[in-house]
Parts: sequence; C-alpha cells; structure tokens
Amino acid sequence: EAQVTQNPRYLITVTGKKLTVTCSQNMNHEYMSWYRQDPGLGLRQIYYSMNVEVTDKGDVPEGYKVSRKEKRNFPLILESPSPNQTSLYFCASSSTTLGGSGYTFGSGTRLTVV
Amino acid sequence: KQEVTQIPAALSVPEGENLVLNCSFTDSAIYNLQWFRQDPGKGLTSLLLIQSSQREQTSGRLNASLDKSSGRSTLYIAASQPGDSATYLCAVSGRAGFQKLVFGTGTRLLVSP
Repeated sequence: EAQVTQNPRYLITVTGKKLTVTCSQNMNHEYMSWYRQDPGLGLRQIYYSMNVEVTDKGDVPEGYKVSRKEKRNFPLILESPSPNQTSLYFCASSSTTLGGSGYTFGSGTRLTVV
Repeated sequence: KQEVTQIPAALSVPEGENLVLNCSFTDSAIYNLQWFRQDPGKGLTSLLLIQSSQREQTSGRLNASLDKSSGRSTLYIAASQPGDSATYLCAVSGRAGFQKLVFGTGTRLLVSP
C-alpha cells in the first residue's frame, strides 16, 4: 500500500530535550515536506526537500532541522524543543513529474513540549 | 503571496442534502489544486486532485471544479451522509514554486442523521 509513515504518533517531551520525528514513504517520490498544524493558523510548511541531499526552508523553519540522506526518509529534528513547538506535525510526499501526483500525507505526530 | 480562503468556515446540514464547499485563491498561477478531508485529530486524506489544465474531477459522490481565471474551486458533495462529517481543506501549489502547498483554513462539516 502506498503510504507515508510517521513515527511516533504521539510524543510528550520536556523543553530542551532533543527529539526526532521520522517520516518514510514507499512511493519513490522525489519531493517530501513537513507541515505543522495549529488552531487558527492552519497548515504551514516547515521544510521541504526536492530530492536526496536537497532541502530548503519553508515558512516556519526556526527551531527545526531536516536531512535527506535517502530518498524514502525525511526526518524532522528538534534540537532544543520549546513549548511553542507544541503542535500537530505532518509529513507529505509527492512526485515531481509533470502533472504531479498530488500530495500524500502521513497520519500525523502530535507533539507536546512541557 | 498566495492566499487561500474557504467559505463557509462551518456548515451543518441534515443527511441527504447536496452541498457545496467553496475555495478561493488569490494567485491564479497554480500548478494544481487538491481537496483533502481531515477527521478530528487525524491525518489528511486526499479526495480529489485537479491539474491546472483541468476543469473538474469526480470521485463517487464528490465533484470538484476549478476556475483558474477567477481563482475559485468548489467541492460538491451529493446526498450527504453522517460519515461525511469532517473538516474539508483545499490546497493549491503554485507553478513557480510548486513544492509549496498553500492551505485554506478549512470548512468544518457536520451531517446530522
């Protein structure tokens, strides 16, 4: 089954403790991206990657890092989480071929930073 | 800067009604438009994808239209059911930077039995 898999689904952590949210897709998509969803603000892009070793900032990159060492994986790293990073996070992937395939989203990771 | 607006923000209808959700965007230079469904606290499920060269797409009881020149899309749901209750999001990706998907804030739909 074609899918984007995120882990963990739920995470509670303390301020300053480094964490990684993993994202993996099995569709051989070139493009991957991270979004966060907050009440009243909707979905905002954090980082995206057009292919292996190619990443760039989205609208709200502060406090986050990403890496793309393999095509299928795109982890999101919070090196020193703060309470304002409490949010619902989504990973997405898409083909970049002409016409596009639309975006496939993971099931989300609900992060709470206390 | 692309902005996406969805009207209404919330909608409550009795089962069986046909309904229309609206989406408008400010920059008509889009690559494609996608409609998603989101259940509370859950992920986004893709419903329909409309390429910029297309005018509509259909899937079962759902029909989405696109009028790029006027910056509008509508999602038509026929014979609504309680299981259709969810938040519906539209999102556009721009030609210049297609990698960025810009979302509307959604329409929260409640279908009563």
